Amino acid sequence: EAQVTQNPRYLITVTGKKLTVTCSQNMNHEYMSWYRQDPGLGLRQIYYSMNVEVTDKGDVPEGYKVSRKEKRNFPLILESPSPNQTSLYFCASSAATGSPGELFFGEGSRLTVL
Amino acid sequence: GDSVTQMEGPVTLSEEAFLTINCTYTATGYPSLFWYVQYPGEGLQLLLKATKADDKGSNKGFEATYRKETTSFHLEKGSVQVSDSAVYFCALSVLSGYALNFGKGTSLLVTP
Repeated sequence: EAQVTQNPRYLITVTGKKLTVTCSQNMNHEYMSWYRQDPGLGLRQIYYSMNVEVTDKGDVPEGYKVSRKEKRNFPLILESPSPNQTSLYFCASSAATGSPGELFFGEGSRLTVL
Repeated sequence: GDSVTQMEGPVTLSEEAFLTINCTYTATGYPSLFWYVQYPGEGLQLLLKATKADDKGSNKGFEATYRKETTSFHLEKGSVQVSDSAVYFCALSVLSGYALNFGKGTSLLVTP
């Protein structure tokens, strides 16, 4: 089954404690992206990657890092989380050929930073 | 920059009512337009899309037509069901074609 898998689905942490949210896709997609979803603000892109070792900032990259060492994985790293990073995070992927914009989303990771 | 504006919710309808969710866009080029749906507790999934002016996207009884003259892509359904209760996002593709700019979402609640 084609899917994008995120872990953990739920996490409560404290300010300053480094954490990583993993994302893995099994569709051999070149493009991967992270979004955060906040009430009244919709989805905002954090980082994206066009392929292995190619990453770039989205609209709200501050406080986040990413890496793309393998095609299937695109982890999101919060080096020193702060309460304003409390949010619902989505990973998404897409093929770089064919129909643009057909993103496949994970089920989301709800992060609370105390 | 390229952006979409969609009507604010929540929208509450009775089962079998007609649905319209408005979406307008601003773009420098000729974007593709999309509607995504997010059911409670799930990620977003593509509902329909249109890649050029006058195209009509359709799926699961939902329709939307790409109107270049009014820069709109309104979502419609003739008879909604309780199972349509979800958040609906309008989106457009940016120049690269792979990133999307999303609207803020419109929550729809359909009551029996």
